[in-house]
Amino acid sequence: DTGVSQDPRHKITKRGQNVTFRCDPISEHNRLYWYRQTLGQGPEFLTYFQNEAQLEKSRLLSDRFSAERPKGSFSTLEIQRTEQGDSAMYLCASSNRNMDRVYGYTFGSGTRLTVV
Amino acid sequence: AQTVTQSQPEMSVQEAETVTLSCTYDTSESNYYLFWYKQPPSRQMILVIRQEAYKQQNATENRFSVNFQKAAKSFSLKISDSQLGDTAMYFCAFMEENNDMRFGAGTRLTVKP
Repeated sequence: DTGVSQDPRHKITKRGQNVTFRCDPISEHNRLYWYRQTLGQGPEFLTYFQNEAQLEKSRLLSDRFSAERPKGSFSTLEIQRTEQGDSAMYLCASSNRNMDRVYGYTFGSGTRLTVV
Repeated sequence: AQTVTQSQPEMSVQEAETVTLSCTYDTSESNYYLFWYKQPPSRQMILVIRQEAYKQQNATENRFSVNFQKAAKSFSLKISDSQLGDTAMYFCAFMEENNDMRFGAGTRLTVKP
């Protein structure tokens, strides 16, 4: 297992287009998180899954955002009708319930989205 | 609501010297977990050190140690014998039981040769 993988690393899209990002967590981890990080800021929580269930969504996750984790393995984050304000780094992280207090989360390298 | 405050947007230190990064947080819970993450330029975040609130002893990992003051809700990171490879963004993070991790805005640390 090579850690948390995110694809693509970079995405440039025109305003109004839809984009989809993928995250492959560490295989033994049952929790998966999405964060958004803008330049010079810390990661902001968007949503998380335990197995295939989406347990929490931030108010930052507008109706244009949707996340799925269909089989409790990889996850996708889709942004519809992108806006320039969506430009950010989108981070995925995974953990094991009850062990995240010991080991924290393992983060991927992120997908940098630029909306032009 | 959980909040994490890092009051130092940027800091610098000479190689081999010691630097302390500050972090304060707000919570009404008695048990929680605190973390420091390092994010090198264009690289992924990695865990540096962690502390459990019910443990009074400050955590230490090689050159990294914390000063945890529960009553003051303060969790500072001390880096001893700073190395050029320590140059990075450092994020303080906080997690309550059965809740997700929340981060501060970060401190950009530059280690100067």
